[in-house]
Amino acid sequence: DTGVSQNPRHKITKRGQNVTFRCDPISEHNRLYWYRQTLGQGPEFLTYFQNEAQLEKSRLLSDRFSAERPKGSFSTLEIQRTEQGDSAMYLCASSSVPQGGLRAFFGQGTRLTVV
Amino acid sequence: AQTVTQSQPEMSVQEAETVTLSCTYDTSESDYYLFWYKQPPSRQMILVIRQEAYKQQNATENRFSVNFQKAAKSFSLKISDSQLGDAAMYFCAEVGTQGGSEKLVFGKGTKLTVNP
Repeated sequence: DTGVSQNPRHKITKRGQNVTFRCDPISEHNRLYWYRQTLGQGPEFLTYFQNEAQLEKSRLLSDRFSAERPKGSFSTLEIQRTEQGDSAMYLCASSSVPQGGLRAFFGQGTRLTVV
Repeated sequence: AQTVTQSQPEMSVQEAETVTLSCTYDTSESDYYLFWYKQPPSRQMILVIRQEAYKQQNATENRFSVNFQKAAKSFSLKISDSQLGDAAMYFCAEVGTQGGSEKLVFGKGTKLTVNP
């Protein structure tokens, strides 16, 4: 399967714990995006990488959030000291720039529940 | 700032009938793209159709077509011959090309139910 893969699919954690999500993009894609989707809302941009460089972070990404993409391949999104408001679906998407025609391919997401 | 508005939280259609989902947007960019994405329950979001703003011709993809009204900043999706598999959340999205990030700005979505 050459699609975007996200792990884990579901994560339940206690408030105050740290969590880490992983995204494996389509192998030839140089762009990787993280979005957050809360209930009843469309996805909202969090951050993106061009290869290994993190080029933009949304104001939604507080200091408790950190994302990495070592070697320009997979990416991780870590949330420290989780809060109930962090409960959401975290989506990863990848694309090829400039050849990809702005077509982003999404993973199935990681659903985080903070209790 | 870019905003995308979908005014229909839910829509329903009979199988084999046609349904139109509405979307309006606002952007300060002169060059941009518009998209409709489909998100089936518990499955990944997939691209349904894409429209380049500089193209006047409306995009079509099999049973899916758009009505792009640039002056009105309107971008509706028409689904013809609706099938049970079309049931999903549909998101309208916009991407500006000037900022470099090509990040998607989404609407809140429309839940489409297809009745047999």
